[in-house]
Amino acid sequence: DAGITQSPRHKVTETGTPVTLRCHQTENHRYMYWYRQDPGHGLRLIHYSYGVKDTDKGEVSDGYSVSRSKTEDFLLTLESATSSQTSVYFCAISADRQNTEAFFGQGTRLTVV
Amino acid sequence: AQSVTQLGSHVSVSEGALVLLRCNYSSSVPPYLFWYVQYPNQGLQLLLKYTSAATLVKGINGFEAEFKKSETSFHLTKPSAHMSDAAEYFCAVSDEGYSTLTFGKGTMLLVSP
Repeated sequence: DAGITQSPRHKVTETGTPVTLRCHQTENHRYMYWYRQDPGHGLRLIHYSYGVKDTDKGEVSDGYSVSRSKTEDFLLTLESATSSQTSVYFCAISADRQNTEAFFGQGTRLTVV
Repeated sequence: AQSVTQLGSHVSVSEGALVLLRCNYSSSVPPYLFWYVQYPNQGLQLLLKYTSAATLVKGINGFEAEFKKSETSFHLTKPSAHMSDAAEYFCAVSDEGYSTLTFGKGTMLLVSP
């Protein structure tokens, strides 16, 4: 299995609080991604990174920010959590930009109450 | 822009029957195409991929898919379903113009004895 770890695996938080999810990889892959998965929507890209300090927005980036200060870590922050951000969040890594071999983490289940 | 359409949010088959999960894509340039499988409470696992080599691609667990450019399709098949195949399946597309994967909404495969 690819070395990719998400933390925490489960979190319950209150509306309006900041939340940070962490993705850590040991593969030294250049590309890292954050997706959210919701029933009926599949996976939708939130943000991605193509190198240290290089990030870009995805399809559903509103309300989220990211940071990548080291190759191995990619952080996703919800500045002020809302109930619509209740979801399962997946991190993925890839060695190439076409994602010909992308690996996914186990997911973080976030509930905003 | 890339897009993926998976026909049928749920597909039910009997054990031993043919599995056919449909995927159609749109891409302005030759695509890379993927099928991922997700078991309950787990991340996504790559089943197979098409990266412009052979049009018939074989993957893990006896699955295969055929790239048909004229039909813009990449349907997933397995000759004989097994109970352990019950999971959610996602088709995804990437191409030279993008650094990201675009996913379909997923198809839940149900296998009955």
